[in-house]
Amino acid sequence: DAKTTQPNSMESNEEEPVHLPCNHSTISGTDYIHWYRQLPSQGPEYVIHGLTSNVNNRMASLAIAEDRKSSTLILHRATLRDAAVYYCILNDDKIIFGKGTRLHILP
Amino acid sequence: KAGVTQTPRYLIKTRGQQVTLSCSPISGHRSVSWYQQTPGQGLQFLFEYFSETQRNKGNFPGRFSGRQFSNSRSEMNVSTLELGDSALYLCASSLEGAHNEQFFGPGTRLTVL
Repeated sequence: DAKTTQPNSMESNEEEPVHLPCNHSTISGTDYIHWYRQLPSQGPEYVIHGLTSNVNNRMASLAIAEDRKSSTLILHRATLRDAAVYYCILNDDKIIFGKGTRLHILP
Repeated sequence: KAGVTQTPRYLIKTRGQQVTLSCSPISGHRSVSWYQQTPGQGLQFLFEYFSETQRNKGNFPGRFSGRQFSNSRSEMNVSTLELGDSALYLCASSLEGAHNEQFFGPGTRLTVL
């Protein structure tokens, strides 16, 4: 079973920031938090990952709670091309995908 | 550099047949993982191969098997196909394992009639 909990869907307006939450209360000390997204008719693509500290890359930022039981993926300025299913995953030896959050971007 | 390639992209089989799917990872990547994606169950992990050895396995019956060759290319085989095996089969490669960034291929769409 997936070890993360995410909202089924979210909506955001174009060019506004989006905060996608993820709960992982059973995370262990060695689990990395990974985010992938899947655009329509494509395979998943890596977005970002982290262990304890907040992380930034060209696609997004990852904010990790101090107790590591939750995290938030931040898209700073959503575009229509960011509409996808976003998966938050705890990654030790293998990836177990949950249902993810379907993000809708409104023009 | 070239991405992950999967062949064939589409496949139609009938119940009871077997099928072999192929995955070529990104050059230099030694880990290949396989996933099954269906509307009802979402993305499910099948297995991971690293340096020609199966390193991790998901909860699928023995009809699902795989192997990896010395050049890191991987094949997945499903025997005695069932209607429920209709799915998108995705392959992902990474440098050392699933804890690294994984790069996914476009998938093989298998339809079992």
